[in-house]
Amino acid sequence: EIVLTQSPGTLFLSPGERATLSCRASQSVSSSSLAWYQQKPGQAPRVFIYGASSRATGIPDRFSGSGSGTDFTLTISRLEPEDFAVYYCQQYDTSPWTFGQGTKVEIK
Amino acid sequence: QVQLQESGPGLVKPSETLSLTCTVSGGSISSHSWSWIRQPPGKEREWIGYIYYTGTTKYNPSLKSRVTISVDTSKNQFSLKLTSVTAADTAVYYCARGSGWYPDWGQGTLVTVSS
Repeated sequence: EIVLTQSPGTLFLSPGERATLSCRASQSVSSSSLAWYQQKPGQAPRVFIYGASSRATGIPDRFSGSGSGTDFTLTISRLEPEDFAVYYCQQYDTSPWTFGQGTKVEIK
Repeated sequence: QVQLQESGPGLVKPSETLSLTCTVSGGSISSHSWSWIRQPPGKEREWIGYIYYTGTTKYNPSLKSRVTISVDTSKNQFSLKLTSVTAADTAVYYCARGSGWYPDWGQGTLVTVSS
């Protein structure tokens, strides 16, 4: 199965700063079949990016996804207070679909 | 936006069958595919499987021998059955809309396997 490794484990940043989250796959994820989710405590996960770079409905344009093959990135151009949360990547190219372990974006 | 809500026992005994139901509101179950995902404590999320409203299913090979996902279009619900559970099946179980990426999720329900 494809193992997704996210880095860093925790990112300490201040509001207004840029966040760069990495998701590396153990083998190529073709068709850019990669999604990013945000989750806050006690809430359901929420999709932010699918198809590696397509923003889901209602997601602000400060969020962007990029990458292909084995290296993918979620970038938050300027952090807002509501962006501090855990972000997970997920591949849906090769069964079984798999998830990364998550990156927590914390307020510095 | 579709809303999903998981329901079922929070405690299951070892060797028994875990049964969960996901109720869909705000949309018809007969026009999408539907999935189950779980996250054991301290571990990564694990895809369990999905079902199309037609009944076609796909399961994680690691769970395939123990999993059944079914859909009840009359109740706008779909269900998960996992047989012969062990402590390793203790997890938060999520239902979600979709078969690849998931635009809508339930809040999740914790199922503990313990005697």
